[in-house]
Amino acid sequence: SQTIHQWPATLVQPVGSPLSLECTVEGTSNPNLYWYRQAAGRGLQLLFYSVGIGQISSEVPQNLSASRPQDRQFILSSKKLLLSDSGFYLCAWSRAGPRDYRTDTQYFGPGTRLTVL
Amino acid sequence: AQSVSQHNHHVILSEAASLELGCNYSYGGTVNLFWYVQYPGQHLQLLLKYFSGDPLVKGIKGFEAEFIKSKFSFNLRKPSVQWSDTAEYFCAVNPLSSNTGKLIFGQGTTLQVKP
Repeated sequence: SQTIHQWPATLVQPVGSPLSLECTVEGTSNPNLYWYRQAAGRGLQLLFYSVGIGQISSEVPQNLSASRPQDRQFILSSKKLLLSDSGFYLCAWSRAGPRDYRTDTQYFGPGTRLTVL
Repeated sequence: AQSVSQHNHHVILSEAASLELGCNYSYGGTVNLFWYVQYPGQHLQLLLKYFSGDPLVKGIKGFEAEFIKSKFSFNLRKPSVQWSDTAEYFCAVNPLSSNTGKLIFGQGTTLQVKP
Protein backbone atom coordinates (compact mmCIF):
# COMPACT_ATOMS: atom_id res chain seq x y z
CA SER A 1 0.00 0.00 0.00
CA GLN A 2 1.03 3.58 -0.48
CA THR A 3 2.05 5.89 2.32
CA ILE A 4 3.05 9.53 2.38
CA HIS A 5 5.34 11.10 4.93
CA GLN A 6 6.01 14.70 5.83
CA TRP A 7 8.53 16.18 8.18
CA PRO A 8 8.90 17.93 10.38
CA ALA A 9 5.46 17.78 11.95
CA THR A 10 5.82 21.20 13.53
CA LEU A 11 8.32 24.00 13.01
CA VAL A 12 8.85 27.41 14.56
CA GLN A 13 11.16 29.67 12.62
CA PRO A 14 12.19 33.33 12.87
CA VAL A 15 11.42 35.78 10.10
CA GLY A 16 14.19 35.81 7.52
CA SER A 17 15.35 32.26 8.16
CA PRO A 18 15.41 29.56 5.48
CA LEU A 19 12.89 26.75 5.20
CA SER A 20 12.96 23.19 3.95
CA LEU A 21 9.95 20.88 4.24
CA GLU A 22 10.14 17.37 2.91
CA CYS A 23 7.54 15.00 1.56
CA THR A 24 8.13 11.42 0.46
CA VAL A 25 5.80 8.80 -0.95
CA GLU A 26 6.24 5.05 -0.64
CA GLY A 27 4.64 2.20 -2.52
CA THR A 28 4.14 3.84 -5.89
CA SER A 29 6.23 5.18 -8.74
CA ASN A 30 6.05 8.35 -10.78
CA PRO A 31 3.28 9.92 -8.69
CA ASN A 32 1.87 13.38 -9.21
CA LEU A 33 2.89 15.44 -6.19
CA TYR A 34 1.29 18.54 -4.73
CA TRP A 35 1.99 21.15 -2.04
CA TYR A 36 -0.95 22.93 -0.42
CA ARG A 37 -1.10 25.53 2.32
CA GLN A 38 -3.91 26.21 4.74
CA ALA A 39 -3.64 29.62 6.35
CA ALA A 40 -5.67 30.39 9.46
CA GLY A 41 -9.39 30.67 8.65
CA ARG A 42 -8.92 29.80 5.00
CA GLY A 43 -9.24 26.72 2.85
CA LEU A 44 -6.42 24.77 1.28
CA GLN A 45 -4.61 26.58 -1.48
CA LEU A 46 -2.52 24.78 -4.07
CA LEU A 47 1.05 26.10 -4.15
CA PHE A 48 2.96 23.75 -6.45
CA TYR A 49 2.46 20.53 -8.34
CA SER A 50 4.80 18.17 -10.12
CA VAL A 51 4.17 15.47 -12.70
CA GLY A 52 7.76 14.21 -12.77
CA ILE A 53 11.33 14.68 -11.60
CA GLY A 54 12.42 18.27 -12.10
CA GLN A 55 8.99 19.30 -13.38
CA ILE A 56 7.44 21.92 -11.12
CA SER A 57 4.43 24.13 -11.76
CA SER A 58 3.73 27.09 -9.51
CA GLU A 59 0.18 28.17 -8.87
CA VAL A 60 0.65 31.41 -6.97
CA PRO A 61 3.49 33.94 -6.82
CA GLN A 62 5.07 33.79 -3.43
CA ASN A 63 8.13 33.56 -1.28
CA LEU A 64 8.35 29.79 -1.66
CA SER A 65 9.82 27.35 -4.16
CA ALA A 66 9.55 23.62 -4.72
CA SER A 67 11.85 20.95 -6.05
CA ARG A 68 11.58 17.29 -6.93
CA PRO A 69 15.06 15.82 -6.85
CA GLN A 70 13.84 12.21 -6.84
CA ASP A 71 10.77 10.44 -8.15
CA ARG A 72 9.01 10.21 -4.80
CA GLN A 73 10.47 13.22 -3.01
CA PHE A 74 9.00 16.70 -3.02
CA ILE A 75 10.62 19.58 -1.16
CA LEU A 76 9.20 22.97 -0.28
CA SER A 77 11.75 25.70 0.39
CA SER A 78 12.24 29.34 1.14
CA LYS A 79 15.39 31.42 1.37
CA LYS A 80 13.85 33.96 3.76
CA LEU A 81 10.63 33.32 5.60
CA LEU A 82 7.95 35.96 6.03
CA LEU A 83 5.31 36.19 8.76
CA SER A 84 2.71 35.47 6.10
CA ASP A 85 4.31 32.08 5.41
CA SER A 86 2.84 30.73 8.65
CA GLY A 87 0.30 28.00 8.10
CA PHE A 88 -0.35 24.31 7.72
CA TYR A 89 1.45 22.75 4.76
CA LEU A 90 0.09 19.61 3.22
CA CYS A 91 1.67 17.36 0.65
CA ALA A 92 -0.47 15.12 -1.53
CA TRP A 93 0.08 12.48 -4.17
CA SER A 94 -1.98 10.94 -6.93
CA ARG A 95 -1.38 8.32 -9.55
CA ALA A 96 0.26 9.65 -12.67
CA GLY A 97 -1.36 8.17 -15.73
CA PRO A 98 -1.26 9.17 -19.35
CA ARG A 99 -2.09 12.67 -18.14
CA ASP A 100 -5.72 11.65 -17.88
CA TYR A 101 -7.13 13.29 -14.80
CA ARG A 102 -10.69 12.09 -15.19
CA THR A 103 -10.25 9.56 -12.40
CA ASP A 104 -7.42 11.24 -10.50
CA THR A 105 -7.67 11.15 -6.68
CA GLN A 106 -5.30 12.84 -4.26
CA TYR A 107 -4.17 11.42 -0.95
CA PHE A 108 -2.76 13.67 1.71
CA GLY A 109 0.10 13.49 4.17
CA PRO A 110 -0.06 14.41 7.86
CA GLY A 111 1.06 18.02 7.27
CA THR A 112 3.59 20.40 8.78
CA ARG A 113 2.51 23.22 11.08
CA LEU A 114 4.82 26.19 10.41
CA THR A 115 4.88 29.21 12.68
CA VAL A 116 7.00 32.16 11.66
CA LEU A 117 7.77 34.59 14.49
CA ALA B 1 -13.62 34.59 -9.95
CA GLN B 2 -13.88 30.84 -10.18
CA SER B 3 -14.22 29.34 -6.75
CA VAL B 4 -15.63 26.71 -4.43
CA SER B 5 -17.99 27.88 -1.69
CA GLN B 6 -18.99 26.08 1.45
CA HIS B 7 -21.87 27.96 2.96
CA ASN B 8 -21.63 26.77 6.53
CA HIS B 9 -18.42 27.53 8.34
CA HIS B 10 -19.39 26.10 11.70
CA VAL B 11 -22.21 23.64 12.33
CA ILE B 12 -23.29 22.31 15.72
CA LEU B 13 -25.63 19.32 15.87
CA SER B 14 -26.85 16.87 18.44
CA GLU B 15 -26.29 13.17 17.93
CA ALA B 16 -28.85 11.52 15.63
CA ALA B 17 -29.62 14.80 13.88
CA SER B 18 -29.45 14.88 10.10
CA LEU B 19 -26.61 16.68 8.37
CA GLU B 20 -26.37 18.56 5.13
CA LEU B 21 -23.29 20.61 4.24
CA GLY B 22 -23.50 22.79 1.19
CA CYS B 23 -20.89 23.07 -1.55
CA ASN B 24 -21.19 25.15 -4.70
CA TYR B 25 -18.63 25.76 -7.40
CA SER B 26 -18.40 28.23 -10.23
CA TYR B 27 -16.48 26.28 -12.87
CA GLY B 28 -18.08 25.51 -16.19
CA GLY B 29 -17.47 22.30 -18.02
CA THR B 30 -16.73 18.86 -16.64
CA VAL B 31 -15.55 18.64 -13.05
CA ASN B 32 -14.50 15.97 -10.60
CA LEU B 33 -15.88 16.53 -7.12
CA PHE B 34 -14.61 15.45 -3.73
CA TRP B 35 -15.37 15.66 -0.05
CA TYR B 36 -12.46 15.29 2.36
CA VAL B 37 -12.65 15.06 6.14
CA GLN B 38 -10.09 15.85 8.79
CA TYR B 39 -10.78 14.33 12.20
CA PRO B 40 -9.00 15.94 15.15
CA GLY B 41 -5.33 15.03 15.07
CA GLN B 42 -5.60 12.98 11.90
CA HIS B 43 -4.72 13.24 8.21
CA LEU B 44 -7.03 14.75 5.65
CA GLN B 45 -8.97 11.72 4.37
CA LEU B 46 -11.08 11.13 1.31
CA LEU B 47 -14.75 10.79 2.25
CA LEU B 48 -16.25 10.34 -1.21
CA LYS B 49 -15.81 11.40 -4.81
CA TYR B 50 -17.80 11.90 -7.98
CA PHE B 51 -16.34 11.40 -11.44
CA SER B 52 -19.32 10.50 -13.60
CA GLY B 53 -22.46 8.37 -13.67
CA ASP B 54 -24.99 8.21 -10.84
CA PRO B 55 -25.06 11.70 -9.30
CA LEU B 56 -25.75 10.25 -5.86
CA VAL B 57 -22.51 8.89 -4.48
CA LYS B 58 -21.97 7.02 -1.26
CA GLY B 59 -18.85 7.29 0.82
CA ILE B 60 -17.43 5.93 4.01
CA LYS B 61 -19.14 6.07 7.39
CA GLY B 62 -22.65 6.51 6.01
CA PHE B 63 -22.00 9.75 4.16
CA GLU B 64 -23.41 10.50 0.73
CA ALA B 65 -23.36 13.44 -1.65
CA GLU B 66 -25.49 14.47 -4.56
CA PHE B 67 -24.17 16.18 -7.65
CA ILE B 68 -26.72 18.58 -9.12
CA LYS B 69 -25.18 19.87 -12.32
CA SER B 70 -27.79 22.56 -12.94
CA LYS B 71 -27.11 24.04 -9.51
CA PHE B 72 -23.33 23.55 -9.60
CA SER B 73 -23.69 21.88 -6.23
CA PHE B 74 -22.30 18.83 -4.46
CA ASN B 75 -23.89 18.77 -1.01
CA LEU B 76 -22.81 16.30 1.63
CA ARG B 77 -25.44 14.48 3.70
CA LYS B 78 -25.75 12.02 6.52
CA PRO B 79 -29.12 10.94 7.94
CA SER B 80 -27.97 10.56 11.54
CA VAL B 81 -24.70 11.98 12.83
CA GLN B 82 -22.61 10.56 15.62
CA TRP B 83 -20.27 12.22 18.07
CA SER B 84 -17.37 10.66 16.14
CA ASP B 85 -18.33 12.71 13.07
CA THR B 86 -16.94 15.81 14.76
CA ALA B 87 -14.37 17.03 12.25
CA GLU B 88 -13.60 19.57 9.58
CA TYR B 89 -15.08 18.88 6.15
CA PHE B 90 -13.70 20.17 2.87
CA CYS B 91 -15.29 20.21 -0.54
CA ALA B 92 -12.90 20.18 -3.49
CA VAL B 93 -13.24 20.48 -7.24
CA ASN B 94 -10.96 19.49 -10.09
CA PRO B 95 -12.01 21.41 -13.20
CA LEU B 96 -10.92 19.02 -15.92
CA SER B 97 -10.47 21.88 -18.37
CA SER B 98 -7.27 22.67 -16.47
CA ASN B 99 -5.82 19.38 -17.75
CA THR B 100 -4.12 18.91 -14.40
CA GLY B 101 -5.05 17.10 -11.23
CA LYS B 102 -5.06 20.22 -9.10
CA LEU B 103 -7.87 20.65 -6.61
CA ILE B 104 -9.65 23.84 -5.69
CA PHE B 105 -10.88 23.67 -2.10
CA GLY B 106 -13.66 25.36 -0.25
CA GLN B 107 -12.92 27.06 3.05
CA GLY B 108 -14.08 24.10 5.07
CA THR B 109 -16.90 23.47 7.54
CA THR B 110 -16.26 22.60 11.14
CA LEU B 111 -18.84 20.14 12.40
CA GLN B 112 -19.32 19.72 16.14
CA VAL B 113 -21.60 16.91 17.26
CA LYS B 114 -22.80 17.07 20.84
CA PRO B 115 -23.32 13.72 22.61
